[in-house]
Parts: sequence; C-alpha cells; structure tokens
Amino acid sequence: AQRVTQPEKLLSVFKGAPVELKCNYSYSGSPELFWYVQYSRQRLQLLLRHISRESIKGFTADLNKGETSFHLKKPFAQEEDSAMYYCALKKAGSARQLTFGSGTQLTVLP
Amino acid sequence: NAGVTQTPKFRVLKTGQSMTLLCAQDMNHEYMYWYRQDPGMGLRLIHYSVGEGTTAKGEVPDGYNVSRLKKQNFLLGLESAAPSQTSVYFCASSLRGTSGVAGELFFGEGSRLTVL
Repeated sequence: AQRVTQPEKLLSVFKGAPVELKCNYSYSGSPELFWYVQYSRQRLQLLLRHISRESIKGFTADLNKGETSFHLKKPFAQEEDSAMYYCALKKAGSARQLTFGSGTQLTVLP
Repeated sequence: NAGVTQTPKFRVLKTGQSMTLLCAQDMNHEYMYWYRQDPGMGLRLIHYSVGEGTTAKGEVPDGYNVSRLKKQNFLLGLESAAPSQTSVYFCASSLRGTSGVAGELFFGEGSRLTVL
C-alpha cells in the first residue's frame, strides 16, 4: 500500500529565510504527487502538482523518484505562507483517491 | 458558485446516537469523498463515490455508511456514534478526467463532530 510521510509536524522559519517542507512516499508504481495547503480559517486547497512543474506563490516541488521525495521549497518565506501543508499521493489510474501525509504546520516569524 | 457545502458545521453527540452529515456540490463533479482529519494523522479516506448510485470503502470505513442518491449530494452516516469518531470531517469532490485539473480535489469547510 502507498504511504506518505511528512517527518516534521511543526516548522518555524523567519521571514525572508528559505523554507523546505519534506515529503517522502512509498509506492511501487508511478505516482502523482500534490501539495495541498490549509490557511487559517480557510478550506484545504491545492497548491501545486508535480505533473504541472509549476511555481505557485513562489513555491516549487520536484519529484525525485530515486529518493522517493517531493519536497516543497520556497527561497524567501513570507508571513502569509503560515499554514498547514499536506503532501498527497494518487495512484496512477485510481479513482482520484488521495493518500495524505500527516501534515506540517509552517509558521513564518516576523 | 458555493462549491462544496457541508452541513452541519458543528455537532455534539452522545455515544450510541446516530447522525448524518450532508455534502452538496454544485460543480457537476463525478467523484465525491469523505475524509476525517485527526491530529498527527492527516486526512484519511472514509468512503468515496465515483458516480451517482455507487460508493466504495476507503481506508477507514468501519462505523460509517454513505449514500449517493443524487450526483450533487454525498451523505455520511454514523449509525451508533463512538468517542473514537470524534474528528473533523471533510467532504471533497473532483472531476473524472485526467487532463487539466487532474487530481485536484475541492474541499468543503469541514464538520467538527464531538462524541461524548
């Protein structure tokens, strides 16, 4: 069965510092990976997906199949980036069911 | 567009009571899901549906039942609530296709359930 691991429950960085939220996965097939974000008092929403290779709000994530990782990075953190971040995996060909990691609460300090 | 709407948003139950959470979406999505969110465990899939009249078990289905009688609605039922079902429940929906917004789930605001 697939598994998504986010080793950091809490992560604090200062404004302007680089930030990296770690995500590792285990899955024998070809996965699709996503980062979802939940800002305070807002709905959980998609931040980015690996197939798009896009940068959203300054965040990027590269799928590393060798290391089975999909870490989320931003070179200069902003206070508005403070939120709960979830890494998620979808099995190729599945009915869109996502397996979520346990989440990382990011706090960007002024 | 309201997107995904969940009712009720808060509920307190006593052990053994029953209740139903309603999820409604107005985006004409084929797929719908119920997740529960617990501290340190992320979101876990309870049940899901790939279309009207069909449902399937997710990762943690025990103690829950679901129904999808209409495409826009997905109901989650607790027949005999237990304290272990205290959680925040999220409904989500998505399109069926693989292009464009492939994989994007649209979530409701969540329903906080406490079982005493």
